[in-house]
Amino acid sequence: DTEVTQTPKHLVMGMTNKKSLKCEQHMGHRAMYWYKQKAKKPPELMFVYSYEKLSINESVPSRFSPECPNSSLLNLHLHALQPEDSALYLCASSSGTVLTDTQYFGPGTRLTVL
Amino acid sequence: EDKVVQSPLSLVVHEGDTVTLNCSYEVTNFRSLLWYKQEKKAPTFLFMLTSSGIEKKSGRLSSILDKKELFSILNITATQTGDSAVYLCAGGFSGNTPLVFGKGTRLSVIA
Repeated sequence: DTEVTQTPKHLVMGMTNKKSLKCEQHMGHRAMYWYKQKAKKPPELMFVYSYEKLSINESVPSRFSPECPNSSLLNLHLHALQPEDSALYLCASSSGTVLTDTQYFGPGTRLTVL
Repeated sequence: EDKVVQSPLSLVVHEGDTVTLNCSYEVTNFRSLLWYKQEKKAPTFLFMLTSSGIEKKSGRLSSILDKKELFSILNITATQTGDSAVYLCAGGFSGNTPLVFGKGTRLSVIA
């Protein structure tokens, strides 16, 4: 099973809302990633968790707050977002031995901030 | 700074054509090169290449790596409209650095 699941599939929120994106994998992977992808651009790395610890934060604004409750779950908490944060948010996982291992992506959450 | 460059950025072909997509990289410590296909949603994994000169094949798709010249190609033969997608190349350049993605090649296959 090479499946990474994400919920919700679509999310519309106002700038004052608080919401969370969820990601789950049951492949025994120990590295999990959040990416942001704007239209016609490649994915941009936001955060990397390795063995449930935040190992990389690519200078992401604090209105995005990641959380890794256990080795299978990854959350992204959203608060006070801006319209320019509207994008496809992708979660990925890899085995975790090294971060350059193949990453398997979830279907993404398409976020619209009004 | 590690870099991945893909060409062309976009390509339009007719069904049945063969296409070659290019990916070149500049790295300090090469580890792996990966190809992904992205249609409307998330990228799906195609190939991972670590050794020069060994072709990886899956159906009509194949890919090869040249570590001396620092590039990889992705070939698609007998293209079909379902091959229309963005093809992403990503480089793995050290054990502690996540994949670096190229900008992608947008392939359109018309009937």
